[in-house]
Amino acid sequence: QQQVKQSPQSLIVQKGGISIINCAYENTAFDYFPWYQQFPGKGPALLIAIRPDVSEKKEGRFTISFNKSAKQFSLHIMDSQPGDSATYFCAASPDGGKLIFGQGTELSVKP
Amino acid sequence: EAGVAQSPRYKIIEKRQSVAFWCNPISGHATLYWYQQILGQGPKLLIQFQNNGVVDDSQLPKDRFSAERLKGVDSTLKIQPAKLEDSAVYLCASSVQGWETQYFGPGTRLLVL
Repeated sequence: QQQVKQSPQSLIVQKGGISIINCAYENTAFDYFPWYQQFPGKGPALLIAIRPDVSEKKEGRFTISFNKSAKQFSLHIMDSQPGDSATYFCAASPDGGKLIFGQGTELSVKP
Repeated sequence: EAGVAQSPRYKIIEKRQSVAFWCNPISGHATLYWYQQILGQGPKLLIQFQNNGVVDDSQLPKDRFSAERLKGVDSTLKIQPAKLEDSAVYLCASSVQGWETQYFGPGTRLLVL
């Protein structure tokens, strides 16, 4: 019940395309859903986050879509660029508790 | 603003040896975390400090792992003795307060042979 399941494990997208990464959770106590971006040899960096009182949050080319009833949330990267090539992790936190991370998605954007 | 600093960046040891990692959080951040990230997986929290007190160490293998945060600033994580399955990247993160907006350091990559 504490798991966050992320898919796909890897994703290849052409430059200018849309990258979509999905996450699902079971614990209804989760109330904070961040996405982290990690480049090789670096630590994860917070990209964007959402709380369940909204269904969508957009920051630049990055959008989180949140479906509370389905217990799913997703990251959309519009106009994907080679510089977006990285590993993306979704995470969830229950009511101020610790972050539970998904398994990660390795995104490769081809020029 | 300086980020989270960690050292060493890489460490190779034999099993049953001991190893220690150091973390210096962002200045003024009260909360410090140690995560273990096994290759191909997401980070897993080992321990959380609030100032110099432990908030959560439920996933820390206490028979071999120990951590301390003296004076509420720097922190060290120790493994003694190391096992093959401890091979991973050990990430330190800090936040002003609480779980949100955690800033991660570059990590220490540990290989146990």
